[in-house]
Amino acid sequence: GQQLNQSPQSMFIQEGEDVSMNCTSSSIFNTWLWYKQDPGEGPVLLIALYKAGELTSNGRLTAQFGITRKDSFLNISASIPSDVGIYFCAGQLRGTNAGKSTFGDGTTLTVKP
Amino acid sequence: DTAVSQTPKYLVTQMGNDKSIKCEQNLGHDTMYWYKQDSKKFLKIMFSYNNKELIINETVPNRFSPKSPDKAHLNLHINSLELGDSAVYFCASSQQSNTEAFFGQGTRLTVV
Repeated sequence: GQQLNQSPQSMFIQEGEDVSMNCTSSSIFNTWLWYKQDPGEGPVLLIALYKAGELTSNGRLTAQFGITRKDSFLNISASIPSDVGIYFCAGQLRGTNAGKSTFGDGTTLTVKP
Repeated sequence: DTAVSQTPKYLVTQMGNDKSIKCEQNLGHDTMYWYKQDSKKFLKIMFSYNNKELIINETVPNRFSPKSPDKAHLNLHINSLELGDSAVYFCASSQQSNTEAFFGQGTRLTVV
């Protein structure tokens, strides 16, 4: 089946630093999604990408849909303590419902004040 | 006015028991899901219902039975609980044509 590998698995950074994480797949997707999960909560959508090459920003977050359709990255600029959490990428094929996403194994971010 | 709400938030039970987790969404979405998150935080879909009909059933033991009385509710019943069922279970919902899934807060199930 499809697999999504996220890297790095975990990051420890200082407040104010920029963060970059990526997600690679063994097969192509039509949609890439990035979610954040706070401790004790469910994942919340950050950014959705629908076209190969698409670059989308949401505040300090920027994500790109890779040209090959097999990867995506997420950047966070000027990190703050509330950025702490687990970041998941998820891929979808056209025609499937939103929840039928294949999730990556997550990147855990720790921000030191 | 929580969008997707699950109860209970925590559930501790003994092996062999039967338990249910309830989920309700007030977003007017057509599709609801159950996901399982294991101790390594890996999220895997279990079931998906669209307008009360089962449309996705991943490889899940028969002990797990979802029930959707109406499109705003999707409950998960688990029979004969096993230690390996311990995990966080997330309910989610989406509009059929929309890509975003809205997740509940999760139910942490611990089987002892």
